[in-house]
Order: sequence, then C-alpha cells, then structure tokens
Amino acid sequence: GAGVSQSPSNKVTEKGKDVELRCDPISGHTALYWYRQRLGQGLEFLIYFQGNSAPDKSGLPSDRFSAERTGESVSTLTIQRTQQEDSAVYLCASSFEAGTYNEQFFGPGTRLTVL
Amino acid sequence: AQSVTQPDIHITVSEGASLELRCNYSYGATPYLFWYVQSPGQGLQLLLKYFSGDTLVQGIKGFEAEFKRSQSSFNLRKPSVHWSDAAEYFCAVGANSGYALNFGKGTSLLVTP
Repeated sequence: GAGVSQSPSNKVTEKGKDVELRCDPISGHTALYWYRQRLGQGLEFLIYFQGNSAPDKSGLPSDRFSAERTGESVSTLTIQRTQQEDSAVYLCASSFEAGTYNEQFFGPGTRLTVL
Repeated sequence: AQSVTQPDIHITVSEGASLELRCNYSYGATPYLFWYVQSPGQGLQLLLKYFSGDTLVQGIKGFEAEFKRSQSSFNLRKPSVHWSDAAEYFCAVGANSGYALNFGKGTSLLVTP
C-alpha cells in the first residue's frame, strides 16, 4: 500500500517568506508526527496529532511554526517569516495509534532551504 | 528526559566485514529502543525495536541489536555488510508512556569494495 507522502520534496524560499509543507499519512493511521532534521543532527520532534485530540505542540521551536490536521487525514506544517536557521529536512511520520510501541512510518521529507 | 548518543559520526567498513554501530541512551525507566536506517532520498525505515523480553532482537536485512541495561547501550550489529547497507543509521529512544521519539545524531556508514 501507499506509504507516507510529503510535498514538496524540495522548497527554496527567501528569508521572511511563509512556507507550507504537506503530509499525507498512511490511510487508517490516527497518529501523525512532524520532525525536523538539521544538517548533521538527529531528528527533533516538533508536533504530534492523535485523532481529534488537541495536538502536542511542545516541540515547536517558535510561534512562527504551526501545524494543522483535519481529522485523521492530511497535515500542513506552516512556517511564517522563515529564517535561515529554519533550513532543514522536515519529516512527517504516521502510526496506527498513539504510543511509542506503535511503529512510526516516515515519509521522504521536504528539504527546505531558506536563502 | 530521554537522550541518545551515537559516538561514531562516520564508520567505514569493507564489504563482507562485520559491523557494530554504537548507541547509548539515558532514561530513568525501561526504555523503548529503536534503530532506523535512512538511505539517500528515502524516508527512515525501522530496522528493529526493543520493548522488553529477550535482550537480543533480530531485525530486517540481517541486522540485530542487543540491549544491555548495565551499559545503557543498544548496539546494532551485522555479521557481513553488503554495499547496499551504506546509509545513515539512527538510534532512537522512547518512553513507554509517550509517543515521540528522541533520536541520536546518526552514524553514516560507508561500505568499501
């Protein structure tokens, strides 16, 4: 079956512009996660959605970052007024249910470059 | 708080040689431990995981890992490396009551002929 998909695969933007990154989770997966992977670093947790519950936004680095998810479908990560330090690969993952014991399936990521 | 350390940034092995990638974690309770592989242009793929029970876990692609509580380690091993194993490997830890994973910085594996 189809895996997690993300779009665009690459995004180049100018400092100060807003960007939207999209994630399509695996159908039937109730949990969705966003991570950020900076060059030479491990993945940093950003935000987590579980069904219709309030998302866990504890990993968002600033109020310029926000994310939405409608039900158990597509999620959009928005970065406003982008800065050069926002350059990274943004990875989305989904799992059947919440909980660390459920395998997270990752998308290929969106590489964001802020000039 | 949980944390993961992968001491080796880069490792080079010859094809057919054995491999061990190191992972040390910090967590107060029994952790959930994972190894993921990331090939160029690909998403992360789960190789194996440890939750409880037998401390030697088998994964896909011939990989195995051993949980050693006394050393706070979860090292990944493979007896004979193939050129296709060249990739970035990430160790991750999760809380048994949580959902987000804490990842190490990764180890880049290069396989030489």
